[in-house]
Amino acid sequence: AQSVTQPDARVTVSEGASLQLRCKYSYFGTPYLFWYVQYPRQGLQLLLKYYPGDPVVQGVNGFEAEFSKSNSSFHLRKASVHWSDWAVYFCAVSDNYAQGLTFGLGTRVSVFP
Amino acid sequence: ETAVFQTPNYHVTQVGNEVSFNCKQTLGHDTMYWYKQDSKKLLKIMFSYNNKQLIVNETVPRRFSPQSSDKAHLNLRIKSVEPEDSAVYLCASSWDSSQNTLYFGAGTRLSVL
Repeated sequence: AQSVTQPDARVTVSEGASLQLRCKYSYFGTPYLFWYVQYPRQGLQLLLKYYPGDPVVQGVNGFEAEFSKSNSSFHLRKASVHWSDWAVYFCAVSDNYAQGLTFGLGTRVSVFP
Repeated sequence: ETAVFQTPNYHVTQVGNEVSFNCKQTLGHDTMYWYKQDSKKLLKIMFSYNNKQLIVNETVPRRFSPQSSDKAHLNLRIKSVEPEDSAVYLCASSWDSSQNTLYFGAGTRLSVL
């Protein structure tokens, strides 16, 4: 069965600094991968998704992610964080036949001035 | 813009009571889901419905039951709540059972006293 590991439970970053959130997946074959963001007291919102193709995927609000089959990774990046990026970020994996998504435990991002 | 609507936002109840949560999507999607998010933010799929038919029923206690009147609605009933049912319940939808992008509602937070 597929699984997702987000090794960093919490990340603290200064406003304007760059951000990288790590995601490792386990799946036999080529997966479909997603990053979602959850702002306080809200549901999950899609940031970006990877379907087989270009390994670098652009998302909303300046986020991008890079798929690496050799490393089984799908790391999320942002060049310059804003205070509004304070949230929990979830990496998720699916395939063409499974129902729903399998989520990682999430990374809580705190942004300080 | 929100297109998956959940009610209520919050619900406080006592052990043994019955509760029901509503979910409606206006995206024209064929598949709907219920996820449970615990206090540590862990997300687990509970049920998945495709065009009014149950297609995923993960190992959840029998006191939980999904109810679908049409493909735009998927409600969740808990027959006799337990303290461990305290969580956020997230409803989501997607175009069909093989389309992996999920769109989430804002969630219903349940507190069981």
